[in-house]
Amino acid sequence: KAGVTQTPRYLIKTRGQQVTLSCSPISGHRSVSWYQQTPGQGLQFLFEYFSETQRNKGNFPGRFSGRQFSNSRSEMNVSTLELGDSALYLCASSFRDDGRQTQYFGPGTRLLVL
Amino acid sequence: AQSVTQLDSHVSVSEGTPVLLRCNYSSSYSPSLFWYVQHPNKGLQLLLKYTSAATLVKGINGFEAEFKKSETSFHLTKPSAHMSDAAEYFCVVSAASSASKIIFGSGTRLSIRP
Repeated sequence: KAGVTQTPRYLIKTRGQQVTLSCSPISGHRSVSWYQQTPGQGLQFLFEYFSETQRNKGNFPGRFSGRQFSNSRSEMNVSTLELGDSALYLCASSFRDDGRQTQYFGPGTRLLVL
Repeated sequence: AQSVTQLDSHVSVSEGTPVLLRCNYSSSYSPSLFWYVQHPNKGLQLLLKYTSAATLVKGINGFEAEFKKSETSFHLTKPSAHMSDAAEYFCVVSAASSASKIIFGSGTRLSIRP
């Protein structure tokens, strides 16, 4: 069974631009979560989607948004990029929307904002 | 409320010697506990998971962890370190029905000396 895939793997953007990241979960998984990882803040929860509905959102500004499609694929968008948005963005999928489930992580998208 | 504390930010051991990565947790409910490993520029990979079955959990690559409720600990061990074990290790606690309530530790960087 194929793992979680994320595209693109690397991105370089400039301040003020916007970016869209994509995540394809493991087949059959309906829950997708997004995390931001930085050296200073560690792993921080961004959003959680289940069956096309956003279930929870972390403490991030409205510039960060996401969605999930009927095939469970998910995208996240960051508008008006800031230097501090430079990070590794990780997507994780699980079978159900349940915090006790094992989350399977993709390789991440490394975003550099100049 | 729940929390997780990884007691060492960096651990260095010689190849062939035992590894101990320490994790303490706090949870109001019976938690699920996880250890993930992250190699440089990669996503997180599940090492092992505790979900209230056997207190000694065996994982991949020779790692194991013991759930000790009385000490609120879930330390990760390996009898003999290998150079390929050099990575960042995250202890994770979850006791809720939502992925947004999953708490990641700050990580322990494991270095292996030849």
